[in-house]
Amino acid sequence: GAVVSQHPSWVICKSGTSVKIECRSLDFQATTMFWYRQFPKQSLMLMATSNEGSKATYEQGVEKDKFLINHASLTLSTLTVTSAHPEDSSFYICSASSRLAGSYNEQFFGPGTRLTVL
Amino acid sequence: AQSVTQPDIHITVSEGASLELRCNYSYGATPYLFWYVQSPGQGLQLLLKYFSGDTLVQGIKGFEAEFKRSQSSFNLRKPSVHWSDAAEYFCAVGERTGANNLFFGTGTRLTVIP
Repeated sequence: GAVVSQHPSWVICKSGTSVKIECRSLDFQATTMFWYRQFPKQSLMLMATSNEGSKATYEQGVEKDKFLINHASLTLSTLTVTSAHPEDSSFYICSASSRLAGSYNEQFFGPGTRLTVL
Repeated sequence: AQSVTQPDIHITVSEGASLELRCNYSYGATPYLFWYVQSPGQGLQLLLKYFSGDTLVQGIKGFEAEFKRSQSSFNLRKPSVHWSDAAEYFCAVGERTGANNLFFGTGTRLTVIP
């Protein structure tokens, strides 16, 4: 149980184009989804947190107009990198959790998406 | 503010040898603590977690970790390393409130030599 998928697993795009990455919880309803970014040989940095039906909460320094996050349903969140540039090339990982009253929202991670912007 | 320190960037061990990966944290209260493993180009797999109770926790793949409050540490151990254990290991602190955000250490890369 608690499987999270991401699509695509890798994508190459031209500079200036937009790229959408999907994150799906396959066997549970995710009330909260998290988006992380990981540069080569570095740790995961939280970009934003989204609750189903609400606007995402972005971490300091993350451009909300560049990284559009939509969490329209309890099983799907999308991250759109708008007008991508080579510096946006990175490994993007999502996670999902299901908020239960009084319990800890354990995060379950997707396999990640490798974005390369040429 | 919460933070996680993994002092060893890279560790090399021989197959069959024992392993200990260090993790120190800073948090205002007793945190939730996690160890994850990441193979190249892959997502994160949870090895084990500590929420409360017994300070020695067992995980998957023969790993264990011990929470030491006095040292603010949560070191990961394995008595005998296998070649397939070569990967990146991340320690993380989970907030007990709010969205239960996770804060990751910088990771330790494990190389296993035959």
